[in-house]
Amino acid sequence: DTGVSQNPRHKITKRGQNVTFRCDPISEHNRLYWYRQTLGQGPEFLTYFQNEAQLEKSRLLSDRFSAERPKGSFSTLEIQRTEQGDSAMYLCASSLYSHLSIDRKLFFGSGTQLSVL
Amino acid sequence: AQKVTQAQTEISVVEKEDVTLDCVYETRDTTYYLFWYKQPPSGELVFLIRRNSFDEQNEISGRYSWNFQKSTSSFNFTITASQVVDSAVYFCALGAVLVTGANSKLTFGKGITLSVRP
Repeated sequence: DTGVSQNPRHKITKRGQNVTFRCDPISEHNRLYWYRQTLGQGPEFLTYFQNEAQLEKSRLLSDRFSAERPKGSFSTLEIQRTEQGDSAMYLCASSLYSHLSIDRKLFFGSGTQLSVL
Repeated sequence: AQKVTQAQTEISVVEKEDVTLDCVYETRDTTYYLFWYKQPPSGELVFLIRRNSFDEQNEISGRYSWNFQKSTSSFNFTITASQVVDSAVYFCALGAVLVTGANSKLTFGKGITLSVRP
């Protein structure tokens, strides 16, 4: 079991550029979540998938943000026309969900630190 | 709306001291879940405990213990005989029980930075 993997660990970009992050969840996990964490704050929910379906999006997720999980395995989070306010740690988490039980605990990755200059 | 307040921002203790991290939450839901996560310098959030709103039994796991009091909407975390390796940011989080039965959307507090000095 390799845990939740996120790439890259760090990303520095110039304002206005597009960036894409990748998350590989634990292999048998059907739910995948994206959170954003800014300095000195707790993580904030952005969106989550069950298999390939995106079930919920936070209002924090502006039109410049798009997340996909095309085959129900890895996920990508793209930010278009980045702004300095997008600078944050982007965390991915996964869990195993079934109708027979509630979500079990979330397993988080180490995150991608985005710096927009 | 859900809210989690961790009023303490930074705590510094000497090794072997006991330390309690406070967490107060607000929710209109009658059924919910509470969590504690640890975030070491590596950045990965490590799950510590999940507690159901209908289970007010306190829990002890080694040097860790949790005191859940529904009457005061608090879910405090105590580390007994702290160690340097306990140094990290600790987050309390609140999870809703949605129509789907899941508690996937967590509301986190701002976190408490714990420093344990040798």
